[in-house]
Amino acid sequence: RKEVEQDPGPFNVPEGATVAFNCTYSNSASQSFFWYRQDCRKEPKLLMSVYSSGNEDGRFTAQLNRASQYISLLIRDSKLSDSATYLCVVPGGNQFYFGTGTSLTVIP
Amino acid sequence: ETGVTQTPRHLVMGMTNKKSLKCEQHLGHNAMYWYKQSAKKPLELMFVYSLEERVENNSVPSRFSPECPNSSHLFLHLHTLQPEDSALYLCASSQETGDYGYTFGSGTRLTVV
Repeated sequence: RKEVEQDPGPFNVPEGATVAFNCTYSNSASQSFFWYRQDCRKEPKLLMSVYSSGNEDGRFTAQLNRASQYISLLIRDSKLSDSATYLCVVPGGNQFYFGTGTSLTVIP
Repeated sequence: ETGVTQTPRHLVMGMTNKKSLKCEQHLGHNAMYWYKQSAKKPLELMFVYSLEERVENNSVPSRFSPECPNSSHLFLHLHTLQPEDSALYLCASSQETGDYGYTFGSGTRLTVV
């Protein structure tokens, strides 16, 4: 089983829509989780950290379900500038494990 | 200058060449990493350094040779690469290894011809 699994998408949504991505992880001992955003041909940038049940930052909400070992990212009122690939990241030992990313395109 | 800086941004090299990638961080972090990102694949960890000591080496071929002279600088020396090594090479740093968020450099896009 992969350490981190994500639905690669693509998700194509209209402006203003609400979209949610899920990510499952295999290491039940993981304590913290991250969502990164990666724009085309750019480096990943930290979007949100999740250390307990969830985190909210403006239009973005990350939730953690330890029992089912998944993390979700909810984006409300989508903007064109939200178009990117969203990477789910789970620490393990000395490294982070990255999902393949979920591609989001917000359409005018 | 702040953050994590990588040079060069783009590199084209022949299979017999020797080149080096450079990474410098100005964040006072103790851990630095090399990742490889190929198309349609998740980021693959190559090397982890903590306080200049290599703590992880993910079965990377010997044609990739890392060097960490101090906690602010990280190099990746390349020699006799293969076309399948063409990818985006990302350097990252974090306060410590483990449960801390990474800061990535902008990457070096490498093409091996």
